Amino acid sequence: TQLLEQSPQFLSIQEGENLTVYCNSSSVFSSLQWYRQEPGEGPVLLVTVVTGGEVKKLKRLTFQFGDARKDSSLHITAAQPGDTGLYLCAGEHQGGSEKLVFGKGMKLTVNP
Amino acid sequence: EPEVTQTPSHQVTQMGQEVILRCVPISNHLYFYWYRQILGQKVEFLVSFYNNEISEKSEIFDDQFSVERPDGSNFTLKIRSTKLEDSAMYFCASRNRDREPLHFGNGTRLTVT
Repeated sequence: TQLLEQSPQFLSIQEGENLTVYCNSSSVFSSLQWYRQEPGEGPVLLVTVVTGGEVKKLKRLTFQFGDARKDSSLHITAAQPGDTGLYLCAGEHQGGSEKLVFGKGMKLTVNP
Repeated sequence: EPEVTQTPSHQVTQMGQEVILRCVPISNHLYFYWYRQILGQKVEFLVSFYNNEISEKSEIFDDQFSVERPDGSNFTLKIRSTKLEDSAMYFCASRNRDREPLHFGNGTRLTVT
């Protein structure tokens, strides 16, 4: 069983602060995806990382895939109230399995 | 932008009843999935479907569950005899090719009483 552990699970910060969310596993993933989920809606894809050490930027969001492809981080610079939501990481295992393994998520609240 | 649509958004049913959750995947997608999320827990994989057959299923997807693609647009999840523990958000997802990112619908909230 591949597990993805996210930390922290909850974070409440003030507008303008920076934050980093971590996604860790003992398993190697062929790719890792970050989603954002609003209440009552499905996960919406933010980014996919596939290469060990890869860094991708999406405006104020920076995503990194670990060199060994077992972990990832999401860094948000100058958080805005609009960044409030649930951030999920999900990994796709190497080999034949198609399923995504999800972390439990990090619930972010950005206060104005 | 094309999206995955799910109906109904909320379904309430009594224990032991059959329910069918409906999904319309993105039209040119070939791979279809159901996931579920029990309140406060992780999103969990249920089943994948490709080329008109199940390609992978989890241990959750027992004999009470079935999936069907009855026509060229719909993808359904049937639970034959619902249990209280089936209460969850059920998400349909699709993708065009293997290893491409998944596109999720907004889910059906199933409440079993």
